[in-house]
Amino acid sequence: KAGVTQTPRYLIKTRGQQVTLSCSPISGHRSVSWYQQTPGQGLQFLFEYFSETQRNKGNFPGRFSGRQFSNSRSEMNVSTLELGDSALYLCASSLDSKNYGYTFGSGTRLTVV
Amino acid sequence: GQNIDQPTEMTATEGAIVQINCTYQTSGFNGLFWYQQHAGEAPTFLSYNVLDGLEEKGRFSSFLSRSKGYSYLLLKELQMKDSASYLCAVKKGGSTLGRLYFGRGTQLTVWP
Repeated sequence: KAGVTQTPRYLIKTRGQQVTLSCSPISGHRSVSWYQQTPGQGLQFLFEYFSETQRNKGNFPGRFSGRQFSNSRSEMNVSTLELGDSALYLCASSLDSKNYGYTFGSGTRLTVV
Repeated sequence: GQNIDQPTEMTATEGAIVQINCTYQTSGFNGLFWYQQHAGEAPTFLSYNVLDGLEEKGRFSSFLSRSKGYSYLLLKELQMKDSASYLCAVKKGGSTLGRLYFGRGTQLTVWP
């Protein structure tokens, strides 16, 4: 059974650019959540999608957005990148977040220069 | 956010027992997770407690007291490979059902 797959693993972008990260959940999982992990702040919740609908959103600026497709794959986009956006972006999938746990992907390491 | 506190760092020796504490203050509590994360890797699930008491799973055990807002992760017979960051995360119900609130993590170093 394949795990949660995130692509790309590493990314270097310049300030002002935009970036799109991808997450393929475990087959059959319908809930996908995104987290930003930095040494200073730890894991911070970005948003959660279930059946193509955003169910929850964290306290991040509107530059951070996401979506989920009918096959449950999810993408997140960050526009007008800032140096402070450098972080590990983790995706987690769950069968249904109400009653089940979360499986994390290995993340995308984004560096903004 | 939620107040989830855990020690920043801990050290222990191989073969020993270590207890990592986590305290939280939240309304609408709906469960507590422990994850292990090695450097550069994905957090991996260790345990989930929703009711008070001890859950044992091999060398790892997790305890929860909802009235005290307290949990701990107990690691027995420590091995070098247990050196990692241990993350405590609280799940709430209601409108934030799909969201986990994480502590900053406890970096455990196991010495030979």
